[in-house]
Amino acid sequence: QVQLQQWGARLLKPSETLSLTCTVYGGSFSGHSWTWIRQPPRKGLEWIGEVNDSGNTNYDPSLKSRVTMSVDTSKNQFSLKLTSLTAADTAMYYCARYRTFEGVADDWGQGTLVTVSS
Amino acid sequence: DIQMTQSPSSLSASVGDTVTITCRASQSISDYLNWYQQKPGKAPNLLIYATSALHSGVPARFRGSGSGTDFTLTISSLQPEDFATYYCQQTYNTPRIFGQGTKLEI
Repeated sequence: QVQLQQWGARLLKPSETLSLTCTVYGGSFSGHSWTWIRQPPRKGLEWIGEVNDSGNTNYDPSLKSRVTMSVDTSKNQFSLKLTSLTAADTAMYYCARYRTFEGVADDWGQGTLVTVSS
Repeated sequence: DIQMTQSPSSLSASVGDTVTITCRASQSISDYLNWYQQKPGKAPNLLIYATSALHSGVPARFRGSGSGTDFTLTISSLQPEDFATYYCQQTYNTPRIFGQGTKLEI
């Protein structure tokens, strides 16, 4: 089991860029993929995308034009950037480890509530 | 994209009951189906992966089954701490879509 700690700006304005970073503690960073999932208030879970330890990415098609994910293996960190924010991007954002072989996100960060408001 | 349809959207039950939640995929996803439990204000917790494999530390009263397009999560002998929202997720391919969720209420 690993611990994931995430941080980033929590109150942003429309058109700004969301930047979140997740640090992985207590386990191997290499050999796994890392994923971001969000949850708008009072709604369900939405998969944003994933990045592996080589930096290869998969994104949800509806967000693909605005999303960038990256990894920094030297720091055991991975990051999410989401550009051109609107109020619809207001959500709790979670980072998680995605175990590629088993096909499951098993360890999650605590979540960061990001609010987009003018 | 594969669509995941979860039912029911809400469910009322009592302590000690057995409940079943279903998840249907719009195409075959083999056994790439996971179940999560989420309590208010908390991150989701993994319950079951690969359709039927119980995650470490999850009580045996949680059971997953199915294959192809139809999957079920059965919770036996409901405990007070089981009242939460449950989500399925397919990981057969990307995007790794979640079901809409099932709120299990007392």
